[in-house]
Amino acid sequence: LAKTTQPISMDSYEGQEVNITCSHNNIATNDYITWYQQFPSQGPRFIIQGYKTKVTNEVASLFIPADRKSSTLSLPRVSLSDTAVYYCLVGTINNNDMRFGAGTRLTVKP
Amino acid sequence: NAGVTQTPKFRVLKTGQSMTLLCAQDMNHEYMYWYRQDPGMGLRLIHYSVGEGTTAKGEVPDGYNVSRLKKQNFLLGLESAAPSQTSVYFCASSPVARLYGYTFGSGTRLTVV
Repeated sequence: LAKTTQPISMDSYEGQEVNITCSHNNIATNDYITWYQQFPSQGPRFIIQGYKTKVTNEVASLFIPADRKSSTLSLPRVSLSDTAVYYCLVGTINNNDMRFGAGTRLTVKP
Repeated sequence: NAGVTQTPKFRVLKTGQSMTLLCAQDMNHEYMYWYRQDPGMGLRLIHYSVGEGTTAKGEVPDGYNVSRLKKQNFLLGLESAAPSQTSVYFCASSPVARLYGYTFGSGTRLTVV
């Protein structure tokens, strides 16, 4: 299983773009990168998933460089409601032993 | 379409008591999972199932048993609860090809006194 490293916490202000980087130096050829968001007292929620280059959906963008040893989750124009813990996971599309680390606690301030 | 439903939402147990947590999904997902989350930590996989009638151990299986008699239900049992099992338990499900990640339930907060 590829180990991931991400910052423990980040602060931002409303309206700013937030970039959270995850390092995964030993990512395998068949591994995908998946990000989840978790609000207090709720289960994690899938945000975005990618394999290489750039993926964008209505919530976020995921940037993956050519060597795939890291990835960056980009949240455009955050609001107070984006305050949450963000998890980066790496594994194959049908891996049944996905490990959630401690995640990055993002605090958005007014 | 309810997604993943967990019951109960809260429970207090005395040490040594037993209980069963129920997870139900209505998305026809093949795979189901049980995780626990302790304060300030990420989720740790307890057990999982890749289909009806199958179960497998995850990262922290000791003290728990599971059953998947029906495709839509995944039960987590605590035979003899211990204070160390005080945690928030999350159930999740996914299709075989996890193109959109897991779908999680809202959790069960269990306290063992």
